[in-house]
Amino acid sequence: QSVLTQPPSVSAAPGQKVTISCSGSSSNIGNNYVSWYQQLPGTAPKLLIYDNNKRPSGIPDRFSGSKSGTSATLGITGLQTGDEADYYCGTWDSSLSAGVFGGGTKLSVL
Amino acid sequence: QVQLVESGGGVVQPGRSLRLSCTASGFTFSSYGMHWVRQAPGKGLEWVAVIWYDGSNKYYIDSVKGRFTISRDNSKNMLYLQMNSLRAEDTAVYYCARDPDLGVTTYDYWGQGTLVTVSS
Repeated sequence: QSVLTQPPSVSAAPGQKVTISCSGSSSNIGNNYVSWYQQLPGTAPKLLIYDNNKRPSGIPDRFSGSKSGTSATLGITGLQTGDEADYYCGTWDSSLSAGVFGGGTKLSVL
Repeated sequence: QVQLVESGGGVVQPGRSLRLSCTASGFTFSSYGMHWVRQAPGKGLEWVAVIWYDGSNKYYIDSVKGRFTISRDNSKNMLYLQMNSLRAEDTAVYYCARDPDLGVTTYDYWGQGTLVTVSS
């Protein structure tokens, strides 16, 4: 059971928009920055969003992040088949003194 | 360019030990915190441990406390994970990841991972 809660799967058609939620508590999301990672099949995770809503160099602006209270959201617009991957949210949990991840969300672009 | 390369994985019997290494290049290793993150087959990401840039602080997930030790050698640009008393549930791909700002816990670069299989 993951500390952060994500939906197991989401799906949408090419060109459409999708959002992935990440729910936590005051000891993690509520008081720490959230980052998001994309893991394509058979590869290592890749940073998509950091500090709740910032994109590293090279990440297209189709990807966005937001945070409100103890929840965070990843948004992806203009879906492409190449976006099919697992997406994870992550942060630090101040009570556990440990890094924590969501269980991951599998995105299908139908 | 930033590169992280893990090594040391393999098949090991329950109760035995293994040491993973992560070779860093392309950045000033001694300026960054470093993490180990693992992924069991078909499962999600699980944070394992973190070490401060100078080795002054270390934190572990509860399930490995007392069994795993994270360490680093800044003179060699190396990160290590000493794993003792291995269990079947430690079977996973182990990734090392760089953290540009320990205050916010972000993994901005990852290695390709090394597979550890604990089985008799």
